[in-house]
Amino acid sequence: GNSVTQMEGPVTLSEEAFLTINCTYTATGYPSLFWYVQYPGEGLQLLLKATKADDKGSNKGFEATYRKETTSFHLEKGSVQVSDSAVYFCALGARNRDDKIIFGKGTRLHILP
Amino acid sequence: DAGVIQSPRHEVTEMGQEVTLRCKPISGHDYLFWYRQTMMRGLELLIYFNNNVPIDDSGMPEDRFSAKMPNASFSTLKIQPSEPRDSAVYFCASRNAGIANQPQHFGDGTRLSIL
Repeated sequence: GNSVTQMEGPVTLSEEAFLTINCTYTATGYPSLFWYVQYPGEGLQLLLKATKADDKGSNKGFEATYRKETTSFHLEKGSVQVSDSAVYFCALGARNRDDKIIFGKGTRLHILP
Repeated sequence: DAGVIQSPRHEVTEMGQEVTLRCKPISGHDYLFWYRQTMMRGLELLIYFNNNVPIDDSGMPEDRFSAKMPNASFSTLKIQPSEPRDSAVYFCASRNAGIANQPQHFGDGTRLSIL
């Protein structure tokens, strides 16, 4: 069945460092891919998405490219801020409208000033 | 636009009491999901509905848990009787499956503490 695997955290970086959070998936067909972010005390918010191979999703300085050949959707940001401290979830949604979105286990990110 | 609205935001109650969590999905969304989040188990899907009909309740932990969706704008998750191990943050999410590749939209959650 469909699944998502993302790197375990926590990930601790200094402000202005480069960030990569790895995400790989297993799916039949051509799923859509998402990154969600959860700030402390809040629900999950959609950060970015990509719906087909080679698409690049971007938002708030974060980017992720849909790589079909490596079944990956790694999240990157060139210069992180303290305010980026949160839990990040990679997620997979199938093109079948009745399928539910499958979430990874989440990666906690700490940014030190 | 109003997002997914959950109530209450916090609930503290004693073991054995009935707990009811409420959710109002985004208008026009035809899927509704209930999740539970804990440090130990992460984010777990409990049940989801399509057009008010339960589609998959395999994640509901026990018979003490039940969920209903009497209409398109309201859903409840009930725990009776509650136990300390039910303490968690419960999230509701909704989605418009009529548009391809749509994400789920989450509420802010209900933080439940069972003493």
